[in-house]
Amino acid sequence: GAGVSQSPSNKVTEKGKDVELRCDPISGHTALYWYRQRLGQGLEFLIYFQGNSAPDKSGLPSDRFSAERTGESVSTLTIQRTQQEDSAVYLCASSLPKGPDDEQYFGPGTRLTVT
Amino acid sequence: GDSVTQMEGPVTLSEEAFLTINCTYTATGYPSLFWYVQYPGEGLQLLLKATKADDKGSNKGFEATYRKETTSFHLEKGSVQVSDSAVYFCALGKNDYKLSFGAGTTVTVRA
Repeated sequence: GAGVSQSPSNKVTEKGKDVELRCDPISGHTALYWYRQRLGQGLEFLIYFQGNSAPDKSGLPSDRFSAERTGESVSTLTIQRTQQEDSAVYLCASSLPKGPDDEQYFGPGTRLTVT
Repeated sequence: GDSVTQMEGPVTLSEEAFLTINCTYTATGYPSLFWYVQYPGEGLQLLLKATKADDKGSNKGFEATYRKETTSFHLEKGSVQVSDSAVYFCALGKNDYKLSFGAGTTVTVRA
């Protein structure tokens, strides 16, 4: 079946512009996660959705970052007034919500470059 | 807070060599431990996992044992192939669902 998809795959934007990143989870996966991976570093957790509610937003780095999810489907991560330090690969993952041991299935990521 | 420290790379090996990637963790409670792998041009995928102390996860010839006494989850493979060239990430997860990842170790296997 189809995996997690993300769009765009690459995004180059000027500092100060807003960007929207999209994630389509695996059908039937009610849990959805966003992570950020800066060059040479591990993944940083950003936000977790269960259905369309976000019980854990603890990883969002500033109020310029926001995310929403429509039902148990598509999620968008929005970064307002982008800064150069926002340049990273943004990864989305989804899973069944049975417990913390469940595998998270990752999308290919969106590479964001802020110039 | 919870964190994972893994061996820095890059690691370069010849085919059929033995591979070890060290991973240690700091966490309260009883986390689950994971190894994820990212092959060139592909997304992250789960390689193996262990959910409690002394459990051994295994897949594709890779193994890792959850050692609570040393807070470690080292990844091993006895005979690597060129197709094992990838970036390997150690991670831990707890009841709050989010995963904490190490920085990743790039492994290159030469024929």
